Amino acid sequence: DTAVSQTPKYLVTQMGNDKSIKCEQNLGHDTMYWYKQDSKKFLKIMFSYNNKELIINETVPNRFSPKSPDKAHLNLHINSLELGDSAVYFCASSPLVSGRRTNEQFFGPGTRLTVL
Amino acid sequence: AQKVTQAQTEISVVEKEDVTLDCVYETRDTTYYLFWYKQPPSGELVFLIRRNSFDEQNEISGRYSWNFQKSTSSFNFTITASQVVDSAVYFCALSEEVRDDKIIFGKGTRLHILP
Repeated sequence: DTAVSQTPKYLVTQMGNDKSIKCEQNLGHDTMYWYKQDSKKFLKIMFSYNNKELIINETVPNRFSPKSPDKAHLNLHINSLELGDSAVYFCASSPLVSGRRTNEQFFGPGTRLTVL
Repeated sequence: AQKVTQAQTEISVVEKEDVTLDCVYETRDTTYYLFWYKQPPSGELVFLIRRNSFDEQNEISGRYSWNFQKSTSSFNFTITASQVVDSAVYFCALSEEVRDDKIIFGKGTRLHILP
């Protein structure tokens, strides 16, 4: 199926651990994003990459490091996990059309991270 | 600065009633995009509509309709003859073309459709 996929869907871990969330899109899109949705459902962008190049880096702790090995993948690595990192993390992708941004984003199913 | 306000935190209506979800936005740009997303209880984000700032025509898609009014900076969403399956959190969002294409989301409106 063509889609934005994320693994794992659920992640439960202890404080202080390091973990990664993977995202892949097979839509041929050029831009990928990470969003965080907190317990109050508030959605906020964290990062975006365009063709493996970092475009957006919002005020996110250095413990969060995105990695884009190719334009179809954008992984999120989190060091020294804290309780406040518990949230749902959404990956998204967006195409360019005739070299212009379309601003239309397709979201993955989300990864629910629980830090104990 | 970009801002999206969804003043209604939670709405409950009885099935078959019509319901309107309000969205007011702020932007300094003349070119921008507005979106609505649906997040059902299962958690995924479902794209509903994108509207650019030059297209003020209202849109209807089945039981869904959108009213875009630049004069009041509003982009309201109406569900006609609501159904239980419409129960979800609905997000209005804004993206400015001159910036990078990040989307700024409102805080969402939780809609309960009661049988």
